[in-house]
Amino acid sequence: KNEVEQSPQNLTAQEGEFITINCSYSVGISALHWLQQHPGGGIVSLFMLSSGKKKHGRLIATINIQEKHSSLHITASHPRDSAVYICAVDMEYGNKLVFGAGTILRVKS
Amino acid sequence: GAVVSQHPSWVICKSGTSVKIECRSLDFQATTMFWYRQFPKQSLMLMATSNEGSKATYEQGVEKDKFLINHASLTLSTLTVTSAHPEDSSFYICSARDLWTNNNEQYFGPGTRLTVT
Repeated sequence: KNEVEQSPQNLTAQEGEFITINCSYSVGISALHWLQQHPGGGIVSLFMLSSGKKKHGRLIATINIQEKHSSLHITASHPRDSAVYICAVDMEYGNKLVFGAGTILRVKS
Repeated sequence: GAVVSQHPSWVICKSGTSVKIECRSLDFQATTMFWYRQFPKQSLMLMATSNEGSKATYEQGVEKDKFLINHASLTLSTLTVTSAHPEDSSFYICSARDLWTNNNEQYFGPGTRLTVT
């Protein structure tokens, strides 16, 4: 079992829909990251969380430390949101990220 | 926000030659830099962690003599793929963090696509 599990693996949505991507982890962490990777490869850090909730524009990220679970929400989705969304955790001890397999999101107009 | 650049963004080289990829932190001091490799439709695979002024720590299975990493300054790390072979063709991404700020933020470069012919 991977230390970081994401679901779903693939997601197709209609423009305007509310989208949720989930991330569960099985190790102690100091922080959790949500990353976005567009075709072409560049990675953008969307959020870094250690507790609670963060919001940036149409994106919301939450984390429940007790349940070892985080969610990334996209409100009013748009085709430009189409990308791979990756959950990664900072291990509690250590200095490197452990990555989930990613969620491929396609938003259709 | 903090910016990390990579150069070149893409490179094509012949089998047997060496290729150097640079990773720079443009507006912060990168005490630690990470090098990742990404195969098509897969997630990032950590190759090595480099701390400024010391030898890189390689992940299991990564040949340190083939993938030479140098982190000579707080703003620059280089990855040299030596005697490249077609199987080294991949997308290489670096990231950096500034541990002095006690901040877990990690900033990613745009990646370098290497094709070995």
